Amino acid sequence: EAGVTQFPSHSVIEKGQTVTLRCDPISGHDNLYWYRRVMGKEIKFLLHFVKESKQDESGMPNNRFLAERTGGTYSTLKVQPAELEDSGVYFCASSQGIRSAEQFFGPGTRLTVL
Amino acid sequence: AQSVTQLDSQVPVFEEAPVELRCNYSSSVSVYLFWYVQYPNQGLQLLLKYLSGSTLVESINGFEAEFNKSQTSFHLRKPSVHISDTAEYFCAVSDRDYKLSFGAGTTVTVRA
Repeated sequence: EAGVTQFPSHSVIEKGQTVTLRCDPISGHDNLYWYRRVMGKEIKFLLHFVKESKQDESGMPNNRFLAERTGGTYSTLKVQPAELEDSGVYFCASSQGIRSAEQFFGPGTRLTVL
Repeated sequence: AQSVTQLDSQVPVFEEAPVELRCNYSSSVSVYLFWYVQYPNQGLQLLLKYLSGSTLVESINGFEAEFNKSQTSFHLRKPSVHISDTAEYFCAVSDRDYKLSFGAGTTVTVRA
């Protein structure tokens, strides 16, 4: 069974540009999460989808970040316009069912904003 | 909000020596506790978890962690490490919500 996949693996953009990150969860997983790790800091929660609905977006840093989950399948995270402090590794995870269920993580997208 | 503290950012250790990675959390409610591992160039993988019941939990590759409610700790141990255990280890907590709160990570470097 395929795991969580993320695209691209790396992205280097200029400040002010737009970038879209994509996450494909494990098939059948209703829960999808986005996390971010800024250099040297802890991994921080951004938001949680249940199917196509945003369950919790309390970790989204500001309105330059927009997350969507089309039809309850894959998800995209758009940053527009990107700022220097947006640099970091963006992780996607998915899980099925209850709160204690394991979250399966993708390999991450490393975003560098110059 | 949950706070998770991993007391050591870097832990160098010789092969076949024991290792302990410390994790403390702040919460006054019932929590679920996790240790994740990230090997070089890979995503995070669940190493072990505590949900309820026995306070000592074990992984398939020889790691164990003990939940201590009074000390709000969930330290990870392995009695004898291998070169392949070189990785970054993350302690994580969830309470009422599905989201995980992570510590800053501990990089374990195993030397021959």
